[in-house]
Amino acid sequence: KAGVTQTPRYLIKTRGQQVTLSCSPISGHRSVSWYQQTPGQGLQFLFEYFSETQRNKGNFPGRFSGRQFSNSRSEMNVSTLELGDSALYLCASGSGELFFGEGSRLTVL
Amino acid sequence: AQSVTQLDSHVSVSEGTPVLLRCNYSSSYSPSLFWYVQHPNKGLQLLLKYTSAATLVKGINGFEAEFKKSETSFHLTKPSAHMSDAAEYFCVVSDPYNQGGKLIFGQGTELSVKP
Repeated sequence: KAGVTQTPRYLIKTRGQQVTLSCSPISGHRSVSWYQQTPGQGLQFLFEYFSETQRNKGNFPGRFSGRQFSNSRSEMNVSTLELGDSALYLCASGSGELFFGEGSRLTVL
Repeated sequence: AQSVTQLDSHVSVSEGTPVLLRCNYSSSYSPSLFWYVQHPNKGLQLLLKYTSAATLVKGINGFEAEFKKSETSFHLTKPSAHMSDAAEYFCVVSDPYNQGGKLIFGQGTELSVKP
């Protein structure tokens, strides 16, 4: 069974730009969660989608958004990038017990 | 509100010696607790989970953890460290009534293993 797949793995953007990250969950999983990992703040929950609906949301500004498609694939978008958005963005699928992808490392210059 | 405190940011052991990574939790409910491991430039891998069954939980790669409600602790142990155990370890709590994807992570403990 294939694991959680995230694309792209690495990307570099400049301040003010926007970015879209993609996540394909484990086959059969309907829940996808997103986390931001930084050295200073650690791992923080962004949001969770289940059956195309946002089920939970963390404490992030509205520049961070996401969506889920009918095939359970999910995307997250960050608009008007700031230097502080540089992080590893992790996607996970499952409920209760989560299975994580390897992440998308975003660098904002 | 739920929270997790990992008592050591860094632990260093010699290969073949025991490993102890300490975690205390705070929860209004009887929590679900997890330990995840993250190797450099990798995602998170589940080591083990506690969900109110046996208090001593066995995980992968020889790791185990004991849930102690009276001490609100969920420490991770391994009898004999291996070089491949060097990684960052996260203690995690979730609300058992919310079986979704919202987990609360500790700040992590970096484990170094010396030859």
